[in-house]
Amino acid sequence: QQPVQSPQAVILREGEDAVINCSSSKALYSVHWYRQKHGEAPVFLMILLKGGEQKGHEKISASFNEKKQQSSLYLTASQLSYSGTYFCGTEVSGTYKYIFGTGTRLKVLA
Amino acid sequence: DVKVTQSSRYLVKRTGEKVFLECVQDMDHENMFWYRQDPGLGLRLIYFSYDVKMKEKGDIPEGYSVSREKKERFSLILESASTNQTSMYLCASSTLGATKETQYFGPGTRLLVL
Repeated sequence: QQPVQSPQAVILREGEDAVINCSSSKALYSVHWYRQKHGEAPVFLMILLKGGEQKGHEKISASFNEKKQQSSLYLTASQLSYSGTYFCGTEVSGTYKYIFGTGTRLKVLA
Repeated sequence: DVKVTQSSRYLVKRTGEKVFLECVQDMDHENMFWYRQDPGLGLRLIYFSYDVKMKEKGDIPEGYSVSREKKERFSLILESASTNQTSMYLCASSTLGATKETQYFGPGTRLLVL
């Protein structure tokens, strides 16, 4: 039931772009994205509520395709501060149950 | 500033011990959650609660129990700790209707069971 993220890990140079995908076997009605830096708790980045919606946060944006049950996170012109583990999260429809994806470790090198 | 606190940052316990992990939030949130985090497996839901004295199993409840006697406090109990419960444990809270609201996390408890 846990959403699957891909890739599991990615290494970038500063200024490069990356895409992180989140796929669910069940219907998604909303998707949250979080970033967790090493040794810290996950921190909320953004929420997508509607199918096809795209939102942005600085140079980080995301899209949500509810028909494909997928969401993607786009990191543009990556900075060293983008390093961390990224998680997608969603509430299971009809419940208060909230689950996270498998995570993607991202490292940006100078 | 919103706050979720966990009773310990690091714990070392012996196999078979009873372990209590406590979580307190000051945001008057209805929902509280316990997750464990392991490399390559992401955050997996152990138990959650949407009201005082209410609890629901998550995806990996075996070997764990929970208690929610007060709205602000959610405890995770390992009845008889085992080495495969060595992990990072994260508590989170959110208001009802998580579709629009984010989850707020505590700093985590890193548990080592010997």
